[in-house]
Amino acid sequence: ETGVTQSPTHLIKTRGQQVTLRCSSQSGHNTVSWYQQALGQGPQFIFQYYREEENGRGNFPPRFSGLQFPNYSSELNVNALELDDSALYLCASSGNDTQNQPQHFGDGTRLSIL
Amino acid sequence: ILNVEQSPQSLHVQEGDSTNFTCSFPSSNFYALHWYRWETAKSPEALFVMTLNGDEKKKGRISATLNTKEGYSYLYIKGSQPEDSATYLCAYGGNDMRFGAGTRLTVKP
Repeated sequence: ETGVTQSPTHLIKTRGQQVTLRCSSQSGHNTVSWYQQALGQGPQFIFQYYREEENGRGNFPPRFSGLQFPNYSSELNVNALELDDSALYLCASSGNDTQNQPQHFGDGTRLSIL
Repeated sequence: ILNVEQSPQSLHVQEGDSTNFTCSFPSSNFYALHWYRWETAKSPEALFVMTLNGDEKKKGRISATLNTKEGYSYLYIKGSQPEDSATYLCAYGGNDMRFGAGTRLTVKP
């Protein structure tokens, strides 16, 4: 069983740039959720994708967008990067019943904005 | 309670001590409550998924209880070991899981 993998591990960008983060879900999982974890806080829900469609969104502006592919892997895109976007971005996969099934997390991508 | 709150923020115990921490969440429209353990330099690992009022779950020396009417869950660790040192996160919700900030546990040998 292949676990959740995220790439890249670390990334440094400057304000105004755009970034794409990638996530491969665990085999057998069709749902991917993305979270942002700022220093000292718990993970904040960005959005969830199920069968290539957005299936719920947290309180994040439209410059945070995503995709899910037929193999259930996913991308998180952030445009017009701001200093406050510096955080650890976590991807988690699960079956389609997110509330009743545990989520399986990747190791995260550490994004630093200069 | 509008969000998920965890207490204490951090905890230092001696090896062999038993400990517990709290997760508080909105008591209306309950969906599910998850507990995760997050060790440094690793990814969060699921401990329990709890869905029914009065649920009690156990995994080795770790157990959890759930009270959906009053909006809290307790996580207990019996006979703490240094390898239990981690941040323990709880999350509440449906598709949009809301996480607390975690309780950071340090177990000293």
